[in-house]
Amino acid sequence: EAEVAQSPRYKITEKSQAVAFWCDPISGHATLYWYRQILGQGPELLVQFQDESVVDDSQLPKDRFSAERLKGVDSTLKIQPAELGDSAMYLCASSLEGAGSETQYFGPGTRLLVL
Amino acid sequence: AQSVTQPDIHITVSEGASLELRCNYSYGATPYLFWYVQSPGQGLQLLLKYFSGDTLVQGIKGFEAEFKRSQSSFNLRKPSVHWSDAAEYFCAVGRGQGNLIFGKGTKLSVKP
Repeated sequence: EAEVAQSPRYKITEKSQAVAFWCDPISGHATLYWYRQILGQGPELLVQFQDESVVDDSQLPKDRFSAERLKGVDSTLKIQPAELGDSAMYLCASSLEGAGSETQYFGPGTRLLVL
Repeated sequence: AQSVTQPDIHITVSEGASLELRCNYSYGATPYLFWYVQSPGQGLQLLLKYFSGDTLVQGIKGFEAEFKRSQSSFNLRKPSVHWSDAAEYFCAVGRGQGNLIFGKGTKLSVKP
């Protein structure tokens, strides 16, 4: 069964350092999402891509966060500089375009701890 | 504003007992509704979804959920809980392609 891949699974960094997370969606899924999940909360959308274009980044803290999906396949989310409050689980999800686009499939996530 | 409320933060049930997890939503249009499960340190796995039609939907692992428009609810049920069901459960709403709004989750513990 096809799955969304994410790496690394865990990342520990010090504040003010740069970190990057990678996501490879299910093959053929045109839409890719990055969510942030703070401990004890549900996921919240950071950015949504349709192919290589950003569809929604209204909740992305653009002063320190950036995301790209250059070839419309895999994606990278970057934080620079990291702050203590960025400690969270970062989840990537993907969905089909058109019929079936309503269902999002999630990867295993990257757990970030900022010290 | 769109929102999802899961009133129960933590529920403990005995193995073999029945389970119901509550979910209420606020949404401007008829939403698409989802239940996801998350094991510790893992991503979210889709249990079931409702788009239209029969208001009782069946999912994986023996779960079902019922959509009640009049109550704006989409409660998750399972007739007999197994120890492996211990996890956190998230209700989510959306409409078409785009952002899902999640509840804060309900943590399920199972007593032997």
